[in-house]
Amino acid sequence: EAGVVQSPRYKIIEKKQPVAFWCNPISGHNTLYWYRQNLGQGPELLIRYENEEAVDDSQLPKDRFSAERLKGVDSTLKIQPAELGDSAVYLCASSPDPGTDFTYEQYFGPGTRLTVT
Amino acid sequence: GENVEQHPSTLSVQEGDSAVIKCTYSDSASNYFPWYKQELGKGPQLIIDIRSNVGEKKDQRIAVTLNKTAKHFSLHITETQPEDSAVYFCAAKKTGGGNKLTFGTGTQLKVEL
Repeated sequence: EAGVVQSPRYKIIEKKQPVAFWCNPISGHNTLYWYRQNLGQGPELLIRYENEEAVDDSQLPKDRFSAERLKGVDSTLKIQPAELGDSAVYLCASSPDPGTDFTYEQYFGPGTRLTVT
Repeated sequence: GENVEQHPSTLSVQEGDSAVIKCTYSDSASNYFPWYKQELGKGPQLIIDIRSNVGEKKDQRIAVTLNKTAKHFSLHITETQPEDSAVYFCAAKKTGGGNKLTFGTGTQLKVEL
């Protein structure tokens, strides 16, 4: 079974430029997450999707960040314009429906390392 | 909101020894506690998890214990091997929190030959 796929793996941009990250979750996983991981820290949730609906975007800086998950499968996270402080690893994760046994496992992709200069 | 503290930040052990990483959480409503292993340049990989209705869970050389009263949980790795070297993260999920995980700050484990 293929895991969570993310692209690009690395991105270097100048500040004020736009950038976009793409994620393809594990097949059949209806829940998709975007996390940001700063150097030496644990991942922090930015946004969570249930199918096409963003059900938790309270941590997403909405002035410059946006996300979409059309058709409830792939997702794109965008930053416009990027700032120096946005340098981090952006991780995508997915999980299956909790189901009757309340499965909570989240599976992460390899991440996109963003460097803003 | 939930706060998860993790100790130690770095841990060095000799091959074959045991390693223990500890985490505490703040929200007594948390009910799910996974542990992730992250190797350099890769995403976190789920290695073991435990739910609040269980006190201990084992999977080969890895075990996790949970003390709900004290609000802390620990990862135990026995017979450590060089390939266990990585950063380990604990996390907690709050009941009714919509599967939102709050992560600790990570432990860099180094297994020396």
